[in-house]
Amino acid sequence: GAVVSQHPSRVICKSGTSVKIECRSLDFQATTMFWYRQFPKQSLMLMATSNEGSKATYEQGVEKDKFLINHASLTLSTLTVTSAHPEDSSFYICSAHFGTGGEKLFFGSGTQLSVL
Amino acid sequence: KQEVTQIPAALSVPEGENLVLNCSFTDSAIYNLQWFRQDPGKGLTSLLLIQSSQREQTSGRLNASLDKSSGRSTLYIAASQPGDSATYLCAVTGGNTGKLIFGQGTTLQVKP
Repeated sequence: GAVVSQHPSRVICKSGTSVKIECRSLDFQATTMFWYRQFPKQSLMLMATSNEGSKATYEQGVEKDKFLINHASLTLSTLTVTSAHPEDSSFYICSAHFGTGGEKLFFGSGTQLSVL
Repeated sequence: KQEVTQIPAALSVPEGENLVLNCSFTDSAIYNLQWFRQDPGKGLTSLLLIQSSQREQTSGRLNASLDKSSGRSTLYIAASQPGDSATYLCAVTGGNTGKLIFGQGTTLQVKP
């Protein structure tokens, strides 16, 4: 099946630094990529939707200046958490979507971000 | 606004038991519903996808049903095994966009 690669799998950083997370579709071109956030013992919450070559669409309550999304190609989307703070510590996961006539959706393995 | 709820939040059963996980959604105008498995600190594995026109899907020991009119889905796991221990998430989408709305999940523990 199709594979979505997400890196890094885990990152620990100091408060105030920026962290970039990559989401790459390895064997298909993704029409759309999605970024989710999951706090401990909670479900996945959609943060933003990104389409190649256009600005990301953010969900209500998600700060676009804090969570920068770049979707430069059909196989790569990046999420940058700028000036990270402890409250940004969470599990971030991407998914890539392609095709029509049914759901073609694949998830990355996630990134655990810990901000000290 | 679509809301997805899963009951129970946690479940512990002895090995070999059959079990049912429940998922409900408030807006019946869904495109499809998916059940996922998530292991601790890991990504999601898609288990079953049910299109809105379908009533159920089966894969091995798993059977998922969908009653769109009542806004409910169930995931039936037969002859549970310790390896089934994980969090099970259901998610719905309103169109073929890939945008999913997730429930809170049911954390299953199967004891040997």
